[in-house]
Amino acid sequence: KQEVTQIPAALSVPEGENLVLNCSFTDSAIYNLQWFRQDPGKGLTSLLLIQSSQREQTSGRLNASLDKSSGRSTLYIAASQPGDSATYLCAARDSNYQLIWGAGTKLIIKP
Amino acid sequence: DAGVTQSPTHLIKTRGQHVTLRCSPISGHKSVSWYQQVLGQGPQFIFQYYEKEERGRGNFPDRFSARQFPNYSSELNVNALLLGDSALYLCASSVQGAYTEAFFGQGTRLTVV
Repeated sequence: KQEVTQIPAALSVPEGENLVLNCSFTDSAIYNLQWFRQDPGKGLTSLLLIQSSQREQTSGRLNASLDKSSGRSTLYIAASQPGDSATYLCAARDSNYQLIWGAGTKLIIKP
Repeated sequence: DAGVTQSPTHLIKTRGQHVTLRCSPISGHKSVSWYQQVLGQGPQFIFQYYEKEERGRGNFPDRFSARQFPNYSSELNVNALLLGDSALYLCASSVQGAYTEAFFGQGTRLTVV
């Protein structure tokens, strides 16, 4: 059974810092892995999708990597801004086509 | 183009009642999935539909049911509501199931009292 873990659960950093969020999964048989952002009480905004055959994807200040052999993905945020404050979730698409989710990392960027 | 739309945005129901949540996918998307998100946790998979057929079901009781219509919109029905059903219900649409990006609506906040 696929399990997805995100560490840390919460992170607070000063504005301008580069940071890395971690996501690990137990079963490497995934179709892809997707990173999302969730603002309080809101729905989910897709940030990046990495197919199982890819190593990384980039969008603006965001870079996501995928290492299936080690069961890990990272989301790198460059030059963080207060507007980046949100909860970041990763989800792995498993062999049953379901998205299996981590519990998220709550990120606070201090001005 | 409109994104994924869900209705209603907020709902308060009494224990034992029934509720219907609705979702309209992005135009051209044929797959719709439903997720339940309890406060402070990641979403949990409930159902997936593709081309009006159920393609997956999560570990939820039979009180939960869903269907997809010919226009690819979907309904999630929950019978005999329990306090523990209080959550944010999220609908996701994608072009198809496995390899394509999932896009989410703003969710329906259900409170059972």
